[in-house]
Amino acid sequence: AAGVIQSPRHLIKEKRETATLKCYPIPRHDTVYWYQQGPGQDPQFLISFYEKMQSDKGSIPDRFSAQQFSDYHSELNMSSLELGDSALYFCASSSRGLGNTIYFGEGSWLTVV
Amino acid sequence: DQQVKQNSPSLSVQEGRISILNCDYTNSMFDYFLWYKKYPAEGPTFLISISSIKDKNEDGRFTVFLNKSAKHLSLHIVPSQPGDSAVYFCAAAPQGGSEKLVFGKGTKLTVNP
Repeated sequence: AAGVIQSPRHLIKEKRETATLKCYPIPRHDTVYWYQQGPGQDPQFLISFYEKMQSDKGSIPDRFSAQQFSDYHSELNMSSLELGDSALYFCASSSRGLGNTIYFGEGSWLTVV
Repeated sequence: DQQVKQNSPSLSVQEGRISILNCDYTNSMFDYFLWYKKYPAEGPTFLISISSIKDKNEDGRFTVFLNKSAKHLSLHIVPSQPGDSAVYFCAAAPQGGSEKLVFGKGTKLTVNP
């Protein structure tokens, strides 16, 4: 079965640069979530979208923005990168009509140097 | 303020024995609970879930128990296998859906052959 696809899997950026992560949810899933997991930390909720509209917001810095497009894929844009942004970024998806269980992608490793 | 607590950072069991992973929560608004298994540098994999209307849910070797009055849930794996060695995250969601999962810090399970 198709899973949540994230790209790129690994990304290295310098401080103050911009990075964009992409997420393709499971087909027919209407909700996308972004989580950040720092080294040795538990995943922290950043933001979610339901039917292309922002549905909830967590601890997402103002330097970050995200959106969900008409094909339901989502992009997380991170600007003015800081060393502390180095983390594993997970995208997840779910469907309100299919049990609502959240399924995660493999994650995108961002390293800021 | 950690709303979902996994007080044991690690657990080691012998192959074939039972693994019991515990999770406590503080927010009485949580009514949907999930367990995820995570290998290093991979996304969390959904294992099993339980809603607050149940006190037990079973799926193969995995059983989740929920004690609402104690705000406690546990994941039982029996028999444990070496391939079960991973970090297990407990997650909780508020009433109305799983839009914003709150994760515990995880318990690293090691199953010794």
